[in-house]
Amino acid sequence: GIQVEQSPPDLILQEGANSTLRCNFSDSVNNLQWFHQNPWGQLINLFYIPSGTKQNGRLSATTVATERYSLLYISSSQTTDSGVYFCAAHYGQNFVFGPGTRLSVLP
Amino acid sequence: EAGVTQFPSHSVIEKGQTVTLRCDPISGHDNLYWYRRVMGKEIKFLLHFVKESKQDESGMPNNRFLAERTGGTYSTLKVQPAELEDSGVYFCASSRTSSYNSPLHFGNGTRLTVT
Repeated sequence: GIQVEQSPPDLILQEGANSTLRCNFSDSVNNLQWFHQNPWGQLINLFYIPSGTKQNGRLSATTVATERYSLLYISSSQTTDSGVYFCAAHYGQNFVFGPGTRLSVLP
Repeated sequence: EAGVTQFPSHSVIEKGQTVTLRCDPISGHDNLYWYRRVMGKEIKFLLHFVKESKQDESGMPNNRFLAERTGGTYSTLKVQPAELEDSGVYFCASSRTSSYNSPLHFGNGTRLTVT
């Protein structure tokens, strides 16, 4: 089956800093989503992005399907951005999750 | 529209007991998925319903887990008897179709603790 990798596994930022999270997938996928699991355990859908670039406030995402990767950009990070960021690749009729990037934003 | 709803939000049970988790998908979503995150590890697929039929249950860990979706609306996931390693967060998700252009919408999860 498909392998989904994320880097870095852990990231510590000072409030206001920018960051880039990466998601690599080993096979062609139908689509890709980014999620944020907040400290309360909720999974929040950030982007649904099969290709190209999307932006939502301080967050943006780019997927280059031909090269099998996606990037999540966080600008001017805030403490509320802390949590685990997952990418999930739509493969077949299912979504396969990466292991996540744990982000800690310090005040 | 109302989102995916899961109940309970938390459950603490003793080893050997039974627990039933419930998921109400977004109205009109034929596809319902169960995932879980155990011990802070990866989010793993458990199974996929299309309406009331099990499309894929390859992720179910063993026969202590039973999922149903009678009538193609809400779904239940029963763990009987529960073991310590079943502790984790169980997520339900729904999508309108199973095609690639139909995003997943997740519920808030049920945090299960087996003591």
